[in-house]
Parts: sequence; C-alpha cells; structure tokens
Amino acid sequence: DTAVSQTPKYLVTQMGNDKSIKCEQNLGHDTMYWYKQDSKKFLKIMFSYNNKELIINETVPNRFSPKSPDKAHLNLHINSLELGDSAVYFCASSPIGAANEKLFFGSGTQLSVL
Amino acid sequence: GESVGLHLPTLSVQEGDNSIINCAYSNSASDYFIWYKQESGKGPQFIIDIRSNMDKRQGQRVTVLLNKTVKHLSLQIAATQPGDSAVYFCAENNDRDDKIIFGKGTRLHILP
Repeated sequence: DTAVSQTPKYLVTQMGNDKSIKCEQNLGHDTMYWYKQDSKKFLKIMFSYNNKELIINETVPNRFSPKSPDKAHLNLHINSLELGDSAVYFCASSPIGAANEKLFFGSGTQLSVL
Repeated sequence: GESVGLHLPTLSVQEGDNSIINCAYSNSASDYFIWYKQESGKGPQFIIDIRSNMDKRQGQRVTVLLNKTVKHLSLQIAATQPGDSAVYFCAENNDRDDKIIFGKGTRLHILP
C-alpha cells in the first residue's frame, strides 16, 4: 500500500547510456514532481506535472524528459547520462499542486553514473 | 537563487533532551513553511507546517516557531529519541510560486 513508489531503487550505469526511472502514486493526487538531491543533500525541483500537463520545468538539460501517461504516473527518462547526473532522484505528489500543500515523497532512486 | 536555508550542519543532542533546529529564509513574500524529516535511505517526510498568519504551531512532540520580523523558522523536538536521527529540512512557498523551495538541511545526531 505504498503511497508514492518509484523504481528502481538503485541504478548504476555507464556514461552515455539512456535510462528511465518510473514513479506511481495511489493517493489520487493531481500533481506529481521530480526532485534531485545532490551529495550535499540539497533538494532541487526539476519538474512538476498537474493532471498530465507540465507545470514546472526548471533549468534542466534537455537530456531529461519527463513523461506522464496519466495523473498517477510520472516517469523520468535521461539520455546520454553524464557523471554529474549522479544523485538521488525523488518523485513526489501533492493533492492539487496548490502553493500551500505538503508533498508526499517516494523513497528515491540512487543513480550512479560511472 | 534559493532563499531558504543553512549550510548542512550537524546538531548533536543527548537522548531525552530537547532539540532546536533553526532555519533562515530571505523571501518576505513566503507565506507557508514546512518541516520535513529525511531518514537514511528514505524520502523526506512531512512533520509539521505553519502559515504566515501564525507564529507558533504544535504537534506531537514538535513545535514550529515562525518569526517573520527576522525571517526565522525553528523546529523544536521535545525529549529527543533515537528515532529522531535524520536530516531535517525547512521549506517555503508563497502564492505566487508553484514550487516549494527547500533549505539545505540539518543533520540531527542523537547521543546515547
């Protein structure tokens, strides 16, 4: 009965590869997010989708492409992986994406690019 | 740039004592503040929130204090337990932005 689940938990890959991370939420929320957490634990938003529509797109390289097939899913595809992409990626959701809502996070995907 | 946070320090507290974690923010338009707890290997988890029309809010063993005059937020944890060991993040939002900005976190270490 996990609320926000993301797979895989760990992802180790070579530079230049393409990889995807999947996220699903069963909370019935309208808005989903991807956050990146670096080695210093700093959390920065990358994207948000509201009901399959892109709302926030921070200055993230074009190699990162989110896809939301329905409002319960938000996947992240990364092309041509680079060393600097190594981080923990968190998916999150919130009820309607209003300014004053708390976020529900998944357990993270630790991406290591070698 | 980011308007919330600290460098990532470590706060060491004796088990049973009270913990106080501080956070400074610079965006005076921010009107909603949240504290999250992140345990090792897990995602951040909501602890408590406060809106700008309040200066104090209490939960179970936790209290958040907001001082808008000096743009300061604090999280107080009463009778700290081993399970409180985690990294704690403050975060802020305002009605004009669609995103929550996270501070840099404080690691809470519990001494036996």
